[in-house]
Amino acid sequence: EAGVTQFPSHSVIEKGQTVTLRCDPISGHDNLYWYRRVMGKEIKFLLHFVKESKQDESGMPNNRFLAERTGGTYSTLKVQPAELEDSGVYFCASSQIYPGQGGGYTFGSGTRLTVV
Amino acid sequence: RKEVEQDPGPFNVPEGATVAFNCTYSNSASQSFFWYRQDCRKEPKLLMSVYSSGNEDGRFTAQLNRASQYISLLIRDSKLSDSATYLCVAHRGSTLGRLYFGRGTQLTVWP
Repeated sequence: EAGVTQFPSHSVIEKGQTVTLRCDPISGHDNLYWYRRVMGKEIKFLLHFVKESKQDESGMPNNRFLAERTGGTYSTLKVQPAELEDSGVYFCASSQIYPGQGGGYTFGSGTRLTVV
Repeated sequence: RKEVEQDPGPFNVPEGATVAFNCTYSNSASQSFFWYRQDCRKEPKLLMSVYSSGNEDGRFTAQLNRASQYISLLIRDSKLSDSATYLCVAHRGSTLGRLYFGRGTQLTVWP
């Protein structure tokens, strides 16, 4: 079974530019999540899709971040315009069931974003 | 106050040692708990779930004390391959899938 795939693995952009991150979840997983780890901090939740619907986007830091999941398959996370504090590792995860039901997530290997 | 607090370490132990990690959570609404393992520059991977009665998986034992809002992970007979960051994770048990992560405890096992 293919895991969660994220593109690109690394991205270096200048402040003010736009970057789009992509996540392909495990096939058949309705739940897709975006998380972010800023250096020195804990991994923090950004948002949760169930199929193509946003179930919870309470973790999105501001309106410079836009996540989509058209057709309920892959997802994109766009940052526009990027700021220095957006640097970090962006993880995507997917699950077939909610964690509370006994399952865990499968995480992708992340996109390391550096804004200079 | 952070949702999940962990001692960041680092813990440096010799092979064969027993090491214990502690974690506390602040929100009593948290219902499910997990330990994840993260290798350097890799993604987090589920190590084990934590059950109220305590549970064991080989050399790993997890315990939960809901009254104290405290979670622990015990690793016996440490191996070099156990070197990683261990993340304490909480979930509130609702239909929302959000996980709350601690900052992680770094473990290095030396020969």
